[in-house]
Amino acid sequence: SAVISQKPSRDICQRGTSLTIQCQVDSQVTMMFWYRQQPGQSLTLIATANQGSEATYESGFVIDKFPISRPNLTFSTLTVSNMSPEDSSIYLCSVESTGGGEQYFGPGTRLTVT
Amino acid sequence: EDQVTQSPEALRLQEGESSSLNCSYTVSGLRGLFWYRQDPGKGPEFLFTLYSAGEEKEKERLKATLTKKESFLHITAPKPEDSATYLCAVRSNTGKLIFGQGTTLQVKP
Repeated sequence: SAVISQKPSRDICQRGTSLTIQCQVDSQVTMMFWYRQQPGQSLTLIATANQGSEATYESGFVIDKFPISRPNLTFSTLTVSNMSPEDSSIYLCSVESTGGGEQYFGPGTRLTVT
Repeated sequence: EDQVTQSPEALRLQEGESSSLNCSYTVSGLRGLFWYRQDPGKGPEFLFTLYSAGEEKEKERLKATLTKKESFLHITAPKPEDSATYLCAVRSNTGKLIFGQGTTLQVKP
């Protein structure tokens, strides 16, 4: 299994500002995934980030709102832009195991927008 | 449309009282069913992967089973430290993971 860290662990931000969340993995991985977990809800995939190519966004999520970077095989960032209170959620990054199919998750970033 | 439904939403058990959590799914071409445990303020922790009907996996007090339409997570003689939200996810032939809403388990001493 992979060890995944995220920064920050939590933040309180003002409406209209942006926050960049970092995800670091202890091994090289091809794909990294970003999820959102709204209060009391389950996980929803935002986008898949491959190193060396543009991220692939799911329906309902757009690059202008959630730009993603993937500069190398162990690191990715997700930016939440022009935030509103509806963006208050836990944001999680994950990686897929080689051959196993399961995904391993970071500890999450708890974002509150006021 | 691929869909995952978990029941019950919440479950309260006394320590030692065995029970089961249900995960029903509708998916085009199942490529794996996954169980996770999530503690408050933490990311999901991987528990099991099941690929075909009839398959079973066990870990300590937990046993996961799979049929063509649903999966069960059986908890035998639970302890308070088993209290958590248990998430079920399926992977369809699109390759994406689709998560259920989760079952929040509380085990009282």
